[in-house]
Amino acid sequence: GIQVEQSPPDLILQEGANSTLRCNFSDSVNNLQWFHQNPWGQLINLFYIPSGTKQNGRLSATTVATERYSLLYISSSQTTDSGVYFCAVKPWSLTGGGNKLTFGTGTQLKVEL
Amino acid sequence: EAGVAQSPRYKIIEKRQSVAFWCNPISGHATLYWYQQILGQGPKLLIQFQNNGVVDDSQLPKDRFSAERLKGVDSTLKIQPAKLEDSAVYLCASSGLRGGSYNEQFFGPGTRLTVL
Repeated sequence: GIQVEQSPPDLILQEGANSTLRCNFSDSVNNLQWFHQNPWGQLINLFYIPSGTKQNGRLSATTVATERYSLLYISSSQTTDSGVYFCAVKPWSLTGGGNKLTFGTGTQLKVEL
Repeated sequence: EAGVAQSPRYKIIEKRQSVAFWCNPISGHATLYWYQQILGQGPKLLIQFQNNGVVDDSQLPKDRFSAERLKGVDSTLKIQPAKLEDSAVYLCASSGLRGGSYNEQFFGPGTRLTVL
């Protein structure tokens, strides 16, 4: 099956700093989503971005589908940004109507005052 | 607009007991998913429904897990009998034309199951 690797695995930032999280995947995809899992376990949708660039406030994401990677940018980080960031993908090769998302191992982010 | 609802939020049972989880997807979403998330890992798909039909249950341990979506809306996931390794968070998700791309999945708050 498709492999999804995220880096870095852990990240500690001071409040106000910027960061870039990376997601590499091993096959062509037609679904890529970024999620933030908060300390209470809720998965929050950040971006649906199988290709291109999107921005939402302090967050932006870019997916270069031909090179099989996606980047999530966090600017002016806040303590509420703490949690685990997951990239999840669905390959083009998945047939039969399946829409299974394969998740990466996540990036654990801690933002300190 | 209401999100995906799940209940209960927490459940503690002893091994060999049975347990059931309930999910109500976003209104109008035809596709419903159950994922299992073990501590320290990303979620893994157990089963996908399209309306009330099963699309993918290849990773569902069918000897102990069962799921149904009888009227194409709510769904129930059952474990019988539970094992220690079933301790995890069970997440329900849905996708459909309302609220975004047809393929974009939205997750509920999850049910945290502890098997003693």
